[in-house]
Amino acid sequence: EAGVVQSPRYKIIEKKQPVAFWCNPISGHNTLYWYLQNLGQGPELLIRYENEEAVDDSQLPKDRFSAERLKGVDSTLKIQPAELGDSAVYLCASSGTSGRADTQYFGPGTRLTVL
Amino acid sequence: GEDVEQSLFLSVREGDSSVINCTYTDSSSTYLYWYKQEPGAGLQLLTYIFSNMDMKQDQRLTVLLNKKDKHLSLRIADTQTGDSAIYFCAETPPGGKLIFGQGTELSVKP
Repeated sequence: EAGVVQSPRYKIIEKKQPVAFWCNPISGHNTLYWYLQNLGQGPELLIRYENEEAVDDSQLPKDRFSAERLKGVDSTLKIQPAELGDSAVYLCASSGTSGRADTQYFGPGTRLTVL
Repeated sequence: GEDVEQSLFLSVREGDSSVINCTYTDSSSTYLYWYKQEPGAGLQLLTYIFSNMDMKQDQRLTVLLNKKDKHLSLRIADTQTGDSAIYFCAETPPGGKLIFGQGTELSVKP
């Protein structure tokens, strides 16, 4: 069974440019998460989807970050415009049970560098 | 509040046991998790323990949970160089998200 797929793996952009990350969760997993991992830190939740509904986006900086999961499967996370402080690893995870923190499986992440 | 703390570094010799410690704050966490992260990779689920258990063993891994002190530990028996990585513990407060510690970097010397 394929794991969580993310692309691109690496992205280098200049500040003020837009950037988008894509995630395909494990087949059949209804819940999808986007986490931000700064260097030397543990991941922090940005947004959680149950099917196509964003049920927790309290930590998402909505002035520049947006996310969507239109058909309840793939998801895209966008930053516009990117700032230097957005350089980090963006991790996607999925789990099979909604409503509680069931076992989450992570993708390899997208490492963003903003110059 | 939600906070998970871990020591930042641990160095052991190959063949020794490693013990990585973690303290958490949310007593309502249903599960507590251990994840492993190798350089440039995502997080790999190692093991987890249900909050009503005090010990779980899985091959070379032993998880101990002291719910009274909110203390979690991961013991790796016969540590190998391939175990070198960053290990994260995570609690699960109500609401469906994981709260991670900063991670413990395990260095295994031959």
